[in-house]
Amino acid sequence: KAGVTQTPRYLIKTRGQQVTLSCSPISGHRSVSWYQQTPGQGLQFLFEYFSETQRNKGNFPGRFSGRQFSNSRSEMNVSTLELGDSALYLCASSQRPNEKLFFGSGTQLSVL
Amino acid sequence: GESVGLHLPTLSVQEGDNSIINCAYSNSASDYFIWYKQESGKGPQFIIDIRSNMDKRQGQRVTVLLNKTVKHLSLQIAATQPGDSAVYFCAEKFASGTYKYIFGTGTRLKVLA
Repeated sequence: KAGVTQTPRYLIKTRGQQVTLSCSPISGHRSVSWYQQTPGQGLQFLFEYFSETQRNKGNFPGRFSGRQFSNSRSEMNVSTLELGDSALYLCASSQRPNEKLFFGSGTQLSVL
Repeated sequence: GESVGLHLPTLSVQEGDNSIINCAYSNSASDYFIWYKQESGKGPQFIIDIRSNMDKRQGQRVTVLLNKTVKHLSLQIAATQPGDSAVYFCAEKFASGTYKYIFGTGTRLKVLA
């Protein structure tokens, strides 16, 4: 079974731009969560989706948004990028909400 | 690759020795815990989990111990190998309106040959 797939692997953007990251969960997994990982803060929860509905949201500004499609694939979008948005963005999937999380390799975003 | 864990506590162990990695969790209502391993350039990899109604759970070369009295979780790795070198962190799941996971900042394990 293929694992969680995230694209792209690396991104370089400049301040003010926007970015869209993609996540394909493990086949059969319907819940997708997004996390931001930085050296100083560790993993910070962004949001969780299940059956195309956002179930939970972390303490991030409205510039961070996401969605989930009917095939459980998910995207997250960050608008008006700031230098502090530079981080590894990780997607995790589970069969259902609140179950064991399986992570992808992440998208490394650098904002210049 | 990413620069995860630049300032993490580090545990150095000799190859073949046992490793013990500790984690203090924050919420006494947390009912499920997971240990993850993250190698450089990769996402976190599930190692082992334990529910709050258990004190101990064993996997292949790994054991997780849960002490709810002091809100402490530990991961024991037997006969540590070079491939075990990575950042290890724990995650706790608790209900706060809806369920959420909180992740520890991690410990870097270095295996010395």
